Amino acid sequence: AQKITQTQPGMFVQEKEAVTLDCTYDTSDPSYGLFWYKQPSSGEMIFLIYQGSYDQQNATEGRYSLNFQKARKSANLVISASQLGDSAMYFCAMSDFNNDMRFGAGTRLTVKP
Amino acid sequence: NAGVTQTPKFQVLKTGQSMTLQCAQDMNHNSMYWYRQDPGMGLRLIYYSASEGTTDKGEVPNGYNVSRLNKREFSLRLESAAPSQTSVYFCASSESVGYIMNTEAFFGQGTRLTVV
Repeated sequence: AQKITQTQPGMFVQEKEAVTLDCTYDTSDPSYGLFWYKQPSSGEMIFLIYQGSYDQQNATEGRYSLNFQKARKSANLVISASQLGDSAMYFCAMSDFNNDMRFGAGTRLTVKP
Repeated sequence: NAGVTQTPKFQVLKTGQSMTLQCAQDMNHNSMYWYRQDPGMGLRLIYYSASEGTTDKGEVPNGYNVSRLNKREFSLRLESAAPSQTSVYFCASSESVGYIMNTEAFFGQGTRLTVV
């Protein structure tokens, strides 16, 4: 069964600095997709970025980039130039051959002014 | 431009009561999902439907049943509610190529369920 691990329950970052949120995964399937979602205190799930297992380049979306290291089975989210509005829960997720999507436990990011 | 619509948004049940959570999407997606999120925790997959006519168990299916009524609708039923099922329930939908999701899942706003 697939497994997603986020080892940082909470992270702090100074406004305007970059921060890396860790995610490791485990699957036996060579074809899979990796996702990051943001959940602010209001509760909605906001999609941030996607990386396919066969993608040659790391995904980027504005201030978000995904540091994909396939051999190490890691898919870390990098947020550049942090803003106060980035304070939220961040979830890593994966979908593999079953076409389901499972989530890690999440990291609570707090941006300090 | 509704996306994924869940009803109801809030519900209080007594132990042993039954109820059905409704979910509908208007994006013509093949796959639909039900998750629960307990306070301070991540989302755990209850059931999913990779395509119309199919349903599969996720991580925490006990105490729940689902129905993929058609391509648009995917309902979650609690036959005999228990306090342990107090949670926020999210429905989601996604498109896929073959058996792999290659785009994001779109989420409903959630249903906050309390079982007393």
